[in-house]
Amino acid sequence: DIVMTQTPLSSPVTLGQPASISCRSSQSLVHSDGNTYLSWLQQRPGQPPRLLIYKISNRFSGVPDRFSGSGAGTDFTLKISRVEAEDVGVYYCMQATQFPLTFGGGTKVEIK
Amino acid sequence: QITLKESGPTLVKPTQTLTLTCTFSGFSLSTSGVGVGWIRQPPGKALEWLALIYWDDDKRNSPFLKNRLTITKDTSKNQVVLTMTNMDPVDTATYYCARFAYYGSGSFDDWGQGTLVTVSS
Repeated sequence: DIVMTQTPLSSPVTLGQPASISCRSSQSLVHSDGNTYLSWLQQRPGQPPRLLIYKISNRFSGVPDRFSGSGAGTDFTLKISRVEAEDVGVYYCMQATQFPLTFGGGTKVEIK
Repeated sequence: QITLKESGPTLVKPTQTLTLTCTFSGFSLSTSGVGVGWIRQPPGKALEWLALIYWDDDKRNSPFLKNRLTITKDTSKNQVVLTMTNMDPVDTATYYCARFAYYGSGSFDDWGQGTLVTVSS
């Protein structure tokens, strides 16, 4: 099974400042079809998860451009260029390259 | 507009079988590339994938839950049903269903609000 490890566990950020979350997989997420099925999801307090980024760097519909994803192979990063109050919540990476599908442990973004 | 909604009991006793229904609209499970999955989240903990069923009736279950899970679909009713046998207090969680776009995002791109299931005698 592919283990997804996120760091940090918590990220206190000043409004308007950038935030960065790292996700590392225990094996390469490159699928035999050439795609890398690494997604980022946001879960605001009391809400269901919401897809932000898919296939490493593609923003889902309606996602602000302050969110960006990058990486390759086993190392991936989610960046928020300027944190806003509505960005508070827990962020998860998820891999869909191989079954069982697995999620990272989550990173809590909070305002200082 | 795509919507998904989970329904089922909020309280089950240990050893009982849980049956959850996901009723969706705005897409069809007969469309190539579409799937519906179940994901759960114990209180204060991370997300855990449980099962996924595709448009062609291919099914995948989490090996961590061994033979406890069954996922089925009723395309005419726009529903996906998850059954989980031999429930235990550690199965207490919010259970979500979500649409999986195999040919699109390759991820869960629309989620239901979730339903909290408590396992207690």
